[in-house]
Amino acid sequence: AQSVSQHNHHVILSEAASLELGCNYSYGGTVNLFWYVQYPGQHLQLLLKYFSGDPLVKGIKGFEAEFIKSKFSFNLRKPSVQWSDTAEYFCAVNRYNNNDMRFGAGTRLTVKP
Amino acid sequence: DGGITQSPKYLFRKEGQNVTLSCEQNLNHDAMYWYRQDPGQGLRLIYYSQIVNDFQKGDIAEGYSVSREKKESFPLTVTSAQKNPTAFYLCASTSSGRAEETQYFGPGTRLLVL
Repeated sequence: AQSVSQHNHHVILSEAASLELGCNYSYGGTVNLFWYVQYPGQHLQLLLKYFSGDPLVKGIKGFEAEFIKSKFSFNLRKPSVQWSDTAEYFCAVNRYNNNDMRFGAGTRLTVKP
Repeated sequence: DGGITQSPKYLFRKEGQNVTLSCEQNLNHDAMYWYRQDPGQGLRLIYYSQIVNDFQKGDIAEGYSVSREKKESFPLTVTSAQKNPTAFYLCASTSSGRAEETQYFGPGTRLLVL
């Protein structure tokens, strides 16, 4: 079965530190890849997504992610985190033309001021 | 203000009881989805609907039922057959149901069993 793995359950960083959150998926076909974020007290919302084209995608608030097909990975990065980036981050994958979305377990990011 | 509303915010279920969770959207989206979120497990798809009067089972449909009689509404019923219903339930929608589209989420309903 298709699955999505997020390697870190809880990450704690100081402001201005660099961030990389890992995401790997198991499905071998053509996929769409997403990162969603849930800020405290807010709805889950899209951070960025990849479905075709440049494998390096940029999202909101200075986040980016790189799709590496050979590694089945879609890691999320930000060069310098802020306190306001404290949130839970979910990686999600679905197959081309298939709405069966699979989510990772989530990574909680805490940024210390 | 366009968006997705879910009600109630908290819902309590007694043993053997069916309960229905409401999801309404005013985004004019064709497709709607129900997910269940458990601690440490992320979101799992229960059901989705790409068009009125049509829906498909997701990964964990057993013990749940849905209907899609109106475009803006996609209620989820948690039946007595669902033996472990305590969870956080999220509703989402996409514009036309294509897999690459962004999903827009509601605030969620937390279901607790008494």
